[in-house]
Order: sequence, then structure tokens, then C-alpha cells
Amino acid sequence: SQTIHQWPATLVQPVGSPLSLECTVEGTSNPNLYWYRQAAGRGLQLLFYSVGIGQISSEVPQNLSASRPQDRQFILSSKKLLLSDSGFYLCAWSQGLGQPQHFGDGTRLSIL
Amino acid sequence: AQSVTQPDIHITVSEGASLELRCNYSYGATPYLFWYVQSPGQGLQLLLKYFSGDTLVQGIKGFEAEFKRSQSSFNLRKPSVHWSDAAEYFCAVGAYGQNFVFGPGTRLSVLP
Repeated sequence: SQTIHQWPATLVQPVGSPLSLECTVEGTSNPNLYWYRQAAGRGLQLLFYSVGIGQISSEVPQNLSASRPQDRQFILSSKKLLLSDSGFYLCAWSQGLGQPQHFGDGTRLSIL
Repeated sequence: AQSVTQPDIHITVSEGASLELRCNYSYGATPYLFWYVQSPGQGLQLLLKYFSGDTLVQGIKGFEAEFKRSQSSFNLRKPSVHWSDAAEYFCAVGAYGQNFVFGPGTRLSVLP
């Protein structure tokens, strides 16, 4: 069966520091991969998605970037974190666009 | 533009009572429809999905949803709510080759 792993579960970072969140999927090949952000009490905002290695689509302009160095690995990065980057970050995968998405357990990011 | 509305931000029901959570969408293509549940601090879990066919779909945990094309709705129902159902519920709309659009969510509280 397929599983998705996200880490770390929680992260506290100072403003201006770099960021790297990692997501890996097991049990499937060539998945679509997604990064979402969920602000407190808000819905989900799609940040990036990827349909293949090295293929990244950005949905909103921001301080973050994403990379997909391997088929089942998706990384969310920032060179300098802002206070507004705080939130709950969720990684998800699907077999294709429009297909059911399956989510990881999320990373709670707090910026001080 | 594609959009999903969940008119109820917060609903409170008594344990054992019936539940209906509303979802309305505006989508140009033939929609795929989904309901997800999110417990505090966790990722999203897929409850059920509709692609085509029978407009009444059954999901996990005793939930069902009915697609009504004429009303552009996909309401989630459960005949008898359990305390463990307290969570945030998200409706999502997609289509073949298209990313999801998530609704803002409805928070469900359950009274003992």
C-alpha cells in the first residue's frame, strides 16, 4: 500500500533563517506531488505541484520554492523565512490531476 | 472562476443526532467531488469521492454524500454522529487533468 511521510512534524525557526521540509511517498511510482499551506482557522492554499521529476508549478508568488530531485521526493524550501510563512504545511500525492489526493500528517511551522 | 463554498463555518450537534454539511460549487467542467476530514494537528483523510454514476455515494466512517447537479451541491450526511466525528470537514472539487479547489471548511463540534 502507499504511504506518505512528512518531516519534521513541528519546527520553530527565527525570521531570516532557511527552511527545508521534506516529503516522500512509498508504494507508487510517478505520483503527482503537492505542497499546501493552511493558516490558522483557514482553508488550504495550494503552493506548488509537480507532475514529474524536475517539473514544478507554482500557484502563488511567495518566498518559498519547491524541488523534486527524485520521483517520490518533494522538498519545500526558503532561503529567508518571513513571519508570514508561519502555518501548517501539508504534502499530498495523487495518481494524476483530478484524482483523489492523499495527505501526510503535516508540519507545524512557527516563525519567531 | 472555479469555487467551492461551505456556508457553515461551525456546526454543533448532539451525539446521536443526524448531520448534514453543505457544499456548493461553481465549476466549468464535469466535476469530480470529494469530502475530506481533518482532526486537529493532522493531515486530511479522504471520506468519499464522486466521479460519475450513482449520485449517492457511500464513504468511510458511516458517511454518505449526494451529488445534485441541478443545485451544484454535494452535501455530506451521517445519520448518527459520534463524539469522535468532531473535526474539520473540507469539500473539494476537481476534474480530469485539473487541480483541486478546496472549500474553506466546516468545523464540527459534538455535544455529549
